[in-house]
Amino acid sequence: NAGVTQTPKFQVLKTGQSMTLQCAQDMNHNSMYWYRQDPGMGLRLIYYSASEGTTDKGEVPNGYNVSRLNKREFSLRLESAAPSQTSVYFCASSPTTGDYGYTFGSGTRLTVV
Amino acid sequence: GENVEQHPSTLSVQEGDSAVIKCTYSDSASNYFPWYKQELGKRPQLIIDIRSNVGEKKDQRIAVTLNKTAKHFSLHITETQPEDSAVYFCAAHEERALTFGSGTRLQVQP
Repeated sequence: NAGVTQTPKFQVLKTGQSMTLQCAQDMNHNSMYWYRQDPGMGLRLIYYSASEGTTDKGEVPNGYNVSRLNKREFSLRLESAAPSQTSVYFCASSPTTGDYGYTFGSGTRLTVV
Repeated sequence: GENVEQHPSTLSVQEGDSAVIKCTYSDSASNYFPWYKQELGKRPQLIIDIRSNVGEKKDQRIAVTLNKTAKHFSLHITETQPEDSAVYFCAAHEERALTFGSGTRLQVQP
């Protein structure tokens, strides 16, 4: 039982390049989330998907897009990377958007130069 | 939206002492308050949670208290051990997702 799997684990991009972060869960959860983690700022919500077929903006959505490909997979795309997007990105899932704890993936450390 | 403030940002204790981390939240509709532990280079992991209809919850050396009137909740770790050293995050659940505090780096000195 893998839980939440993220790829890649590390990535270096040049300013203006694009990339997609992949996330998949095998727990039959309905809800999935993307957070970014910056020093001293905790985890900030970028986008979330309450259920298959829906996506909504979080606290810091600018510069990102998401796709809920199916119930298992939720991807995050950076169309034109900027140095301000250097961060650690975590995908998470939960049974619903209700009062449940999240299971997190292992994270993607992204550096934009 | 929800705003969660967490204090202190760093905390150093001697092994065997207790540690307390405090959080306040802004949205009175928030009803679920989990705590996560994140070791260096690892993913956040849920260690304990509390719902709004409960004032206190314990799990071995860890306890969480909630004061809904004051809108604050706290994590208490007793008999700290070196393996408790990590960053701890509180969170509050409002309508759509969890909002996290900024984290507390706990260092337990042997």
